[in-house]
Amino acid sequence: DAGVIQSPRHEVTEMGQEVTLRCKPISGHDYLFWYRQTMMRGLELLIYFNNNVPIDDSGMPEDRFSAKMPNASFSTLKIQPSEPRDSAVYFCASTRGGGNQPQHFGDGTRLSIL
Amino acid sequence: AQSVAQPEDQVNVAEGNPLTVKCTYSVSGNPYLFWYVQYPNRGLQFLLKYITGDNLVKGSYGFEAEFNKSQTSFHLKKPSALVSDSALYFCAVRDGYNQGGKLIFGQGTELSVKP
Repeated sequence: DAGVIQSPRHEVTEMGQEVTLRCKPISGHDYLFWYRQTMMRGLELLIYFNNNVPIDDSGMPEDRFSAKMPNASFSTLKIQPSEPRDSAVYFCASTRGGGNQPQHFGDGTRLSIL
Repeated sequence: AQSVAQPEDQVNVAEGNPLTVKCTYSVSGNPYLFWYVQYPNRGLQFLLKYITGDNLVKGSYGFEAEFNKSQTSFHLKKPSALVSDSALYFCAVRDGYNQGGKLIFGQGTELSVKP
């Protein structure tokens, strides 16, 4: 089975540019999570979806961040405009049922904002 | 509020020796507990979980963890460490009352196994 697929793996862009990160969850999973990982703040949950509906976006740092899940097999995390402090590794994870099943993580997008 | 604490930022072990990575938690309901491992430039990988039943759970790569309700702990253990076990380890908890699937992660413990 294919795991969670994220693209791009690396993104380098200049401050002020729009950044779009993409995620394809595992087929059949009904929960999707976006995380951000930095040395200073560790692993932070940004937002999660259930059946394509956002359930908790309390971790989204600012209005510059937005996330969508137009269908069960695709989600995007967008930053507009980007700032250097947004530099981090962004992970997508998915799971089935939201109960006692583990989350499965993609390999992340390493984002550098210059 | 739910929380997870991993009191050690780093654990150093000699190859062949037993290892323990500590985790304590706080939840309002019955805890669902997880351990994940992260290798460089990779996402988190699931190792094992405790939901209910036996307090000692076994997982991938020879790891096991012991659930202790009175001490609210879920320490990760391995009888004999390998150099290849060197990685970042995360403990996570989900409140049993929370149907949303959201996990709270600890800050991570860097495990270094030296030959």
